[in-house]
Amino acid sequence: AQSVTQLGSHVSVSEGALVLLRCNYSSSVPPYLFWYVQYPNQGLQLLLKYTSAATLVKGINGFEAEFKKSETSFHLTKPSAHMSDAAEYFCAVSSPRGAQKLVFGQGTRLTINP
Amino acid sequence: NAGVMQNPRHLVRRRGQEARLRCSPMKGHSHVYWYRQLPEEGLKFMVYLQKENIIDESGMPKERFSAEFPKEGPSILRIQQVVRGDSAAYFCASSLDLQGSKTQYFGPGTRLLVL
Repeated sequence: AQSVTQLGSHVSVSEGALVLLRCNYSSSVPPYLFWYVQYPNQGLQLLLKYTSAATLVKGINGFEAEFKKSETSFHLTKPSAHMSDAAEYFCAVSSPRGAQKLVFGQGTRLTINP
Repeated sequence: NAGVMQNPRHLVRRRGQEARLRCSPMKGHSHVYWYRQLPEEGLKFMVYLQKENIIDESGMPKERFSAEFPKEGPSILRIQQVVRGDSAAYFCASSLDLQGSKTQYFGPGTRLLVL
């Protein structure tokens, strides 16, 4: 079975500061990993994904994440936060085989302080 | 290219009524997934369908819930005899039929409120 743990249900940073959202996964097979962003009352938008190629993955809006197998982590970072980054962020894992259903973490709500 | 479309965006039902949620996948996508998001929680997988086939329904409640993806038309998630605990946001996602990563693209969701 696969699972995802997102450390910190709420994260608050100042505008211009580093954003770090933590994600740890559990998977019995090499995983595919995803970060999605959800703005209020909207659907999920894919930020980036890891599918066993480069371990440092760059996504949209200046976000990136690094797959660390030894730490079973896939933390999301952005060097400089912008007010428009305020949203809910979800980490998800799936298997490369089979139905590839996504297993989501509980989400992290990111607040940006002016 | 239009994204995943869901309707209605908001649905209000009284206890005991039926709710029908529709999902039109992105053009060319033949895989559809349904997820449910309860208040203050992450998304939980419900069911995975391809055209005319249910592939994985391991996340579907055993009673009152059903899903279909007919050869023509949208995918439908049907909830019979709704109860207050069914109040949630229901998201549909679609993906291409390709080897490797089947990236899922999400619709805007249907927010169901059961009174």
